[in-house]
Amino acid sequence: GAVVSQHPSWVICKSGTSVKIECRSLDFQATTMFWYRQFPKQSLMLMATSNEGSKATYEQGVEKDKFLINHASLTLSTLTVTSAHPEDSSFYICSAPDRAWETQYFGPGTRLLVL
Amino acid sequence: GDSVTQMEGPVTLSEEAFLTINCTYTATGYPSLFWYVQYPGEGLQLLLKATKADDKGSNKGFEATYRKETTSFHLEKGSVQVSDSAVYFCALPRLGGKLIFGQGTELSVKP
Repeated sequence: GAVVSQHPSWVICKSGTSVKIECRSLDFQATTMFWYRQFPKQSLMLMATSNEGSKATYEQGVEKDKFLINHASLTLSTLTVTSAHPEDSSFYICSAPDRAWETQYFGPGTRLLVL
Repeated sequence: GDSVTQMEGPVTLSEEAFLTINCTYTATGYPSLFWYVQYPGEGLQLLLKATKADDKGSNKGFEATYRKETTSFHLEKGSVQVSDSAVYFCALPRLGGKLIFGQGTELSVKP
């Protein structure tokens, strides 16, 4: 089946720095990708919809200046956590739908720890 | 608004035990319903789905029946294996490909 990768799988950074997370569809093209955030023992919460060639659509309550999303190509979306703070520590997961929008393929996630 | 509620975990079972993970939903209309599974260190994978009321989704010995009258989509397996240890998510698709997830239920199966 289709594969979505994320890089890095985990990252530790200092407070105030920015961190970039990549999401790639390895064997299919994705004009749309989704970014989720998961807190420990909690559900996945949709943060934003990443659209190739246009601006991302953010869910209510998600700071677009804090979480910058760039969908640079049909196989790559990036999420940049700007001026990261400890409360941004979380597990970030991306997904991409197949061509028919019947199945979502999820990346393995990126664990971010901000010290 | 739309929401999904799952039974809390963790659930610990012995191998070959019967599994039920409850899932109820609140939504407008009659959406499809999904169960996703997340094995340790891996991304979420679609386990099964049902697209309309009374549909039964099944895969790898797991089953779930879409019950409109009780707005439920409980996941069941008659005999679990150690390899079924994972986190299970009930999910509700919305417009534009978005998914609303339940909180996830961690299953641990002991030999």
